[in-house]
Amino acid sequence: GAGVSQTPSNKVTEKGKYVELRCDPISGHTALYWYRQSLGQGPEFLIYFQGTGAADDSGLPNDRFFAVRPEGSVSTLKIQRTERGDSAVYLCASSLRSASNSYNEQFFGPGTRLTVL
Amino acid sequence: QQQVKQSPQSLIVQKGGISIINCAYENTAFDYFPWYQQFPGKGPALLIAIRPDVSEKKEGRFTISFNKSAKQFSLHIMDSQPGDSATYFCAPVKWMDSSYKLIFGSGTRLLVRP
Repeated sequence: GAGVSQTPSNKVTEKGKYVELRCDPISGHTALYWYRQSLGQGPEFLIYFQGTGAADDSGLPNDRFFAVRPEGSVSTLKIQRTERGDSAVYLCASSLRSASNSYNEQFFGPGTRLTVL
Repeated sequence: QQQVKQSPQSLIVQKGGISIINCAYENTAFDYFPWYQQFPGKGPALLIAIRPDVSEKKEGRFTISFNKSAKQFSLHIMDSQPGDSATYFCAPVKWMDSSYKLIFGSGTRLLVRP
């Protein structure tokens, strides 16, 4: 079956511009995560959705970053007034619903490489 | 605050050799201990994982050894192959702030020479 897909695969933008990154999770996965991976580092958690709501946005670095998942499937990560330090690979992952006593594997997409000039 | 320390940063192994990657953690509240494999241009993919009540798990050429008292777990790749060349991440999991979070190490770049 289809895995997690992300578009675009690459995005080049200028400092100060607005960007949107899209994630299509695996069908039936109600949990969706966004991570950011800087060059030579491991991914870092940004935000988690359970269904349509952002259950945990504690990893978002500042208020320029925002994410939505209006219908509980596709999610969009939005970055306003981009800065050069935002350059990274943005990864999306999805899983079956997890609860505090039941962890389900997260499946990652290929990522979107964002370059801010 | 670095909760997960992974070593070595890079590793070169001859084909057929054993690759060993180590991960040390500081928080005792982790629930699950996976290793991820990442190829260039791809997202991380779960390779093998262990629960804290088990000391070792083997799947084919891949083995996790877990030492709870030392707060360490390692990945062993037996009979390493050129196709194993990738970046490996330990990413212990814990429940925090209403979700399970993967706390990734900094990665180990493995090169297996033919």
